[in-house]
Amino acid sequence: EAEVAQSPRYKITEKSQAVAFWCDPISGHATLYWYRQILGQGPELLVQFQDESVVDDSQLPKDRFSAERLKGVDSTLKIQPAELGDSAMYLCASSGWADTQYFGPGTRLTVL
Amino acid sequence: QKEVEQDPGPLSVPEGAIVSLNCTYSNSAFQYFMWYRQYSRKGPELLMYTYSSGNKEDGRFTAQVDKSSKYISLFIRDSQPSDSATYLCAMTLNAGNMLTFGGGTRLMVKP
Repeated sequence: EAEVAQSPRYKITEKSQAVAFWCDPISGHATLYWYRQILGQGPELLVQFQDESVVDDSQLPKDRFSAERLKGVDSTLKIQPAELGDSAMYLCASSGWADTQYFGPGTRLTVL
Repeated sequence: QKEVEQDPGPLSVPEGAIVSLNCTYSNSAFQYFMWYRQYSRKGPELLMYTYSSGNKEDGRFTAQVDKSSKYISLFIRDSQPSDSATYLCAMTLNAGNMLTFGGGTRLMVKP
């Protein structure tokens, strides 16, 4: 069964350091999403891609966060510099056209 | 006030019980409704996906949508300890758009 892949699964970093997360969506899925989930809350969208183009990044803190999907396949989310409040689960999801979203296992980030 | 409200629980039931999980929402434009199951430290797993109002059944799971009341439910029959997880409701205006999630309800099924 096709799955969304994410790495690393866990990341511990100190504040002010840079971190990067990688996502490989289900093959053939044109739409890719990055969500952030704070412990005890539901996921919230950070950025949505359609192929290599950003569709929605209105909730992405652009002073420190960046996301790219250069070839319209896999994607990288970067935080620089990391802050204590960035500790959360970062989830990647993908969907086919007019389809629902399938999530990867997530990257749990701890900022010390 | 959040767009999607969900009782955080925890909800504790004995094995074999019927479980009812609910969400209310404020945006009447939502058209697609989903339930995800999330085990601790894992990503959400899609359980049910419904469009507009009505019921949908899949094995032990039944999803209900009442758009007139802005209320959705997930019923789990013959609950099992393996059903212990956090259940997230989610909804969207159009398929392919961002999902708006509830905060999740933690369910514990005791043997």
